[in-house]
Amino acid sequence: DTEVTQTPKHLVMGMTNKKSLKCEQHMGHRAMYWYKQKAKKPPELMFVYSYEKLSINESVPSRFSPECPNSSLLNLHLHALQPEDSALYLCASSQASGGYNEQFFGPGTRLTVL
Amino acid sequence: AQSVTQPDIHITVSEGASLELRCNYSYGATPYLFWYVQSPGQGLQLLLKYFSGDTLVQGIKGFEAEFKRSQSSFNLRKPSVHWSDAAEYFCAVGAHSSASKIIFGSGTRLSIRP
Repeated sequence: DTEVTQTPKHLVMGMTNKKSLKCEQHMGHRAMYWYKQKAKKPPELMFVYSYEKLSINESVPSRFSPECPNSSLLNLHLHALQPEDSALYLCASSQASGGYNEQFFGPGTRLTVL
Repeated sequence: AQSVTQPDIHITVSEGASLELRCNYSYGATPYLFWYVQSPGQGLQLLLKYFSGDTLVQGIKGFEAEFKRSQSSFNLRKPSVHWSDAAEYFCAVGAHSSASKIIFGSGTRLSIRP
């Protein structure tokens, strides 16, 4: 199984809502990532988990809260988002963390904040 | 720190024509180089990667790339494009450190003329 799955595919939420994005991989990878991608832009790294511990936080606002319950799962909890947070949120995984490891990407969650 | 530049924002080629997408990187040591492709609304798929060894790298979908240290380049090529190759292409560079990230270029959008 070489897939990274993400749910939901689409999410529309109001600025006062609380929602979560989910990501799963069964490749035995020990690093998992959250990226944010705006239209016509490259992915921007948000968080990196290595061996279920948060290793990189790219100064992301606290309204985004990541969680790694186990080595296969990665969540992104969303609360009090702003319209400018509307974007494609991509999850990725790799065998280990570090810029020398190829990352496998999920299809993304298209988030719209009203 | 490493960086990557994709000079071409948008390229249009005719179906069946050859393709070359440019990528220039900046890094003091031997870089880890990647080409990813993203179809509209989808995640990123790895086309090929270069870590060391043979400077001509073969990838999936008939793509290849050549690492040229003297020119700090890693250009992507395909001898004959198909309409299904229309997508966004990202060059990325990483470093050999567990704390490093993959840095993406700004992307090149490829359109195919029938």
